[in-house]
Formats: sequence, C-alpha cells, structure tokens
Amino acid sequence: DAKTTQPPSMDCAEGRAANLPCNHSTISGNEYVYWYRQIHSQGPQYIIHGLKNNETNEMASLIITEDRKSSTLILPHATLRDTAVYYCIVRVIGAQKLVFGQGTRLTINP
Amino acid sequence: SQTIHQWPATLVQPVGSPLSLECTVEGTSNPNLYWYRQAAGRGLQLLFYSVGIGQISSEVPQNLSASRPQDRQFILSSKKLLLSDSGFYLCAWSGIAGARTDTQYFGPGTRLTVL
Repeated sequence: DAKTTQPPSMDCAEGRAANLPCNHSTISGNEYVYWYRQIHSQGPQYIIHGLKNNETNEMASLIITEDRKSSTLILPHATLRDTAVYYCIVRVIGAQKLVFGQGTRLTINP
Repeated sequence: SQTIHQWPATLVQPVGSPLSLECTVEGTSNPNLYWYRQAAGRGLQLLFYSVGIGQISSEVPQNLSASRPQDRQFILSSKKLLLSDSGFYLCAWSGIAGARTDTQYFGPGTRLTVL
C-alpha cells in the first residue's frame, strides 16, 4: 500500500506556479521522497527527490517540512504540457519496488 | 545520456497466445532492470527485477516470466496469455543500488490488450 496521501485532482492556470502537496506522516528516517509524473499513455517521468533538505532542479522544486511528514512539489511556471498525474512516493535508497498510489491529476488551464 | 527502449508500443493478442516484450537500455552498464504493470485506472505493480545477467527476482506469482540474456536487455514473456494480463507494461532501469544514482527511469511502455 502507498504510504503517501495526495489530493485526487488539482487545477492551475498556465504560467502560474503549481503547488502539489503530499502527506507522508509515517515516513522513516531513511526514506526519501520521490516525485514522478505520468502524462497520458506514457511511462512515468522522474522529476525530483529529496531526504530532508529542499531540492531544486530544472523541472521543479521540492519543499520538505522540517518534521518530514509532508512535502510540496512546485512547478514554478506551469505550461499545458505539465498536465499529468503526479505521484509522490517514499522509498528507501536501494529498495527495488516503487509503490505508486493514485497520485494527483493536475490540469493546467489556458 | 541514457535511453530506454521498449517494443512493441502496442499489442493485441488472443487469449492463450504467447507473449514476448523487449526492453533495452543504452548509455549505461550493469543497470538494474525492472518490469512493472499498470492495469487500467490503477497504480504500478512491480513484476520482476534483475540486478545482473541471468538474475531475476519475481515479486508476484503469475503466468509471466522474465529473462535477461544480455546486460542491457530485459524480456518479459508468457506461454499463454490470460485476459487479466491486459495492461500497460513498463520497463525501468536504475544505477547502482545504495547511491543517489539508483533512481528508476521508465521506458515508454507497451500497451497490451488480450482479447
């Protein structure tokens, strides 16, 4: 079973920042937070991951609360191509299995 | 850079027919390889993973099997397909376990419909 909770759907206007929340209240000290997204009929795309510090790459920023019980994925300037299902996953480095929950269906509106 | 290929992209097969799906990775050596299945409207289920040639671990019992004949080639097979085998099959690769490089990267997938 997934160890994360995400809202089933969200909307965001094109050009605005999209903030996707994730709750992982039972996360263990050695578990990382991973984010993937899946555009319709494509394979999941890795976005970003982190342990406890905030992370940023060319795609997004990941903000993890100090108690690590929740996190937020930020797409700074959403485009129509960012419409996808976004998955938040907690995982121990080296664990073979990724457990995907239902994710958040993000719709970017023009 | 690394790339992962899967074929075919789509497949329609009758019940009871055999199956062979192929996955290849370019631009890396000794990858860990994975097969996942995504049933309609559901999350991904890990089916098999491999940490080296000829080394296959199965996550769930089923009528599917996997093989790794070469370092960067992973094959998913079945002798007789069932209706319940329909789904979106995804291959993934990762680097060395225990390092930040063991993020899993997915291929484009194969959509299988069993009729």
